[in-house]
Amino acid sequence: DQQVKQNSPSLSVQEGRISILNCDYTNSMFDYFLWYKKYPAEGPTFLISISSIKDKNEDGRFTVFLNKSAKHLSLHIVPSQPGDSAVYFCAASGESWGKFQFGAGTQVVVTP
Amino acid sequence: DGGITQSPKYLFRKEGQNVTLSCEQNLNHDAMYWYRQDPGQGLRLIYYSQIVNDFQKGDIAEGYSVSREKKESFPLTVTSAQKNPTAFYLCASSIVLLYEQYFGPGTRLTVT
Repeated sequence: DQQVKQNSPSLSVQEGRISILNCDYTNSMFDYFLWYKKYPAEGPTFLISISSIKDKNEDGRFTVFLNKSAKHLSLHIVPSQPGDSAVYFCAASGESWGKFQFGAGTQVVVTP
Repeated sequence: DGGITQSPKYLFRKEGQNVTLSCEQNLNHDAMYWYRQDPGQGLRLIYYSQIVNDFQKGDIAEGYSVSREKKESFPLTVTSAQKNPTAFYLCASSIVLLYEQYFGPGTRLTVT
């Protein structure tokens, strides 16, 4: 049973606008969350993370929000750029160090 | 340049044969991981190792084996016991007790 779900397999957004990617989880033991970005034929690269003691973390154009009561996190990309076109995975950890549960990914396409 | 290398990029095998996927890192990371990705699914953890000569099963270890004889290397053997071996395999590494993982480019294994 998937403990981390990204319910939108794809997202299309215009350049300059905001991209909002969502991720839901079911395990209340998760206490650390990461977002990875993946280009075709490459491995995922780390983007941004958040600990459960925070509800927001910002890094440049990327902001992650965590709503623990709803077991929901989101990634905001502002403004979206063509180079942001990629697959984005959210991942969660908590029960055991080194063990992450990944979502299925959201394909983002930024159009001119 | 520090990083993770996986070879080969594409691998084809006949059913019933064991096959070993290579993963090497020069990041001086203690921890290494193997994931499998199937279409429409997130990354699933096969095995991970926090230190040389020690490794733990992940969520889907059945039909796979690993070794960790050197810090830099964490090869994965897909045995004939693995019922659905065709998949995209990703290797990653990290500093122990840090969450961010660095991924290799992956190996696409096709078994016919």
